[in-house]
Amino acid sequence: AQSVTQPDIHITVSEGASLELRCNYSYGATPYLFWYVQSPGQGLQLLLKYFSGDTLVQGIKGFEAEFKRSQSSFNLRKPSVHWSDAAEYFCAVGAGDAGNMLTFGGGTRLMVKP
Amino acid sequence: DGGITQSPKYLFRKEGQNVTLSCEQNLNHDAMYWYRQDPGQGLRLIYYSQIVNDFQKGDIAEGYSVSREKKESFPLTVTSAQKNPTAFYLCASSIQGRGNQPQHFGDGTRLSIL
Repeated sequence: AQSVTQPDIHITVSEGASLELRCNYSYGATPYLFWYVQSPGQGLQLLLKYFSGDTLVQGIKGFEAEFKRSQSSFNLRKPSVHWSDAAEYFCAVGAGDAGNMLTFGGGTRLMVKP
Repeated sequence: DGGITQSPKYLFRKEGQNVTLSCEQNLNHDAMYWYRQDPGQGLRLIYYSQIVNDFQKGDIAEGYSVSREKKESFPLTVTSAQKNPTAFYLCASSIQGRGNQPQHFGDGTRLSIL
């Protein structure tokens, strides 16, 4: 069975600093990988997705993620964080053997200091 | 605009009472999902449906029931058998896929016990 680990429960960065959120997955085949963002009291919004091909994926709001098969990682990055990026971020892996199921990590809460 | 509508936004349940959470989508998606979100635990799958009149249990189905009589609608009933129902409930939908289709989320319903 697939699994996703987000090692950092909370991260605090200063506005304007760079950001990297870690995601490690476990899956036997080529994974389908997603990053979502959730503002307080809201649903999840898709930031980006990786299926195949170029391992550096661009998303919305200036985010990007890099797939590294050798490290089983799919880390999310942003060069310069804005106060509005404060939210919870979820990494997810799609398993192809049971419909369109997604397995989510536990999430990383990002706080931004002025 | 297409999307997923969950109602109500806040819901209170008395002891021994069943309550029903509504989820409606106008995205023409075949698949729909219900998740439970607790602080620090990410998203856990309650039930999912890949087609009208068919649904399957997820990881934490005990104490919950669903129906899928229409493509657009996937209501979730929290029964009195669910002893710890206080949580944030998220509904999602997607086109059919094998782990490669992103899920689209509603804005959630927060359920509390009176």
